[in-house]
Amino acid sequence: SAVISQKPSRDICQRGTSLTIQCQVDSQVTMMFWYRQQPGQSLTLIATANQGSEATYESGFVIDKFPISRPNLTFSTLTVSNMSPEDSSIYLCSVGTGTNTDTQYFGPGTRLTVL
Amino acid sequence: AQSVAQPEDQVNVAEGNPLTVKCTYSVSGNPYLFWYVQYPNRGLQFLLKYITGDNLVKGSYGFEAEFNKSQTSFHLKKPSALVSDSALYFCAVRDGSSASKIIFGSGTRLSIRP
Repeated sequence: SAVISQKPSRDICQRGTSLTIQCQVDSQVTMMFWYRQQPGQSLTLIATANQGSEATYESGFVIDKFPISRPNLTFSTLTVSNMSPEDSSIYLCSVGTGTNTDTQYFGPGTRLTVL
Repeated sequence: AQSVAQPEDQVNVAEGNPLTVKCTYSVSGNPYLFWYVQYPNRGLQFLLKYITGDNLVKGSYGFEAEFNKSQTSFHLKKPSALVSDSALYFCAVRDGSSASKIIFGSGTRLSIRP
């Protein structure tokens, strides 16, 4: 399985600011995903980060709020823009091959607190 | 639409006893089923998956899961629980008819008492 790292591991931010989260994989991967896990809850897919094209967002998530970059097959960023306390969550990067039988592997997560 | 349910928010088991964490699913095609574990302040770790074949799937840390098509269930089991098994467990499903996204259950917090 791929080794996935995320930066920062945690941050405390002020309302109205933006934070960019980085996801680095130790090998080239086809698919990269960004999830949100609100306190005590399950995971919700934000978007699929596509290499060389715009990310594919899930219902309820928009590019203006969560811009995503994927410049190559090993790296992606998620920005949480104009933050509010409701954005306080764990943000998780995951990777996979994109096939039906694929196992997704997850990074350690970024714990974001917005004051 | 695919969905997955974990009916128990919390499961409490004494160390050394067998444990079961329940999961039921709903998909339109063949199900691809997964279990993940999340330790405090950590990301999700893959435990095991069912794709096809033997209904009993063995995974990491001594865990296993049984696929039951008639009951649309994929319960996670371990014969003898350890205190270190205490964590949050997620069941997940993907509809095998296409390379669709994985849907996660709500999670079950497993607590093993010494």
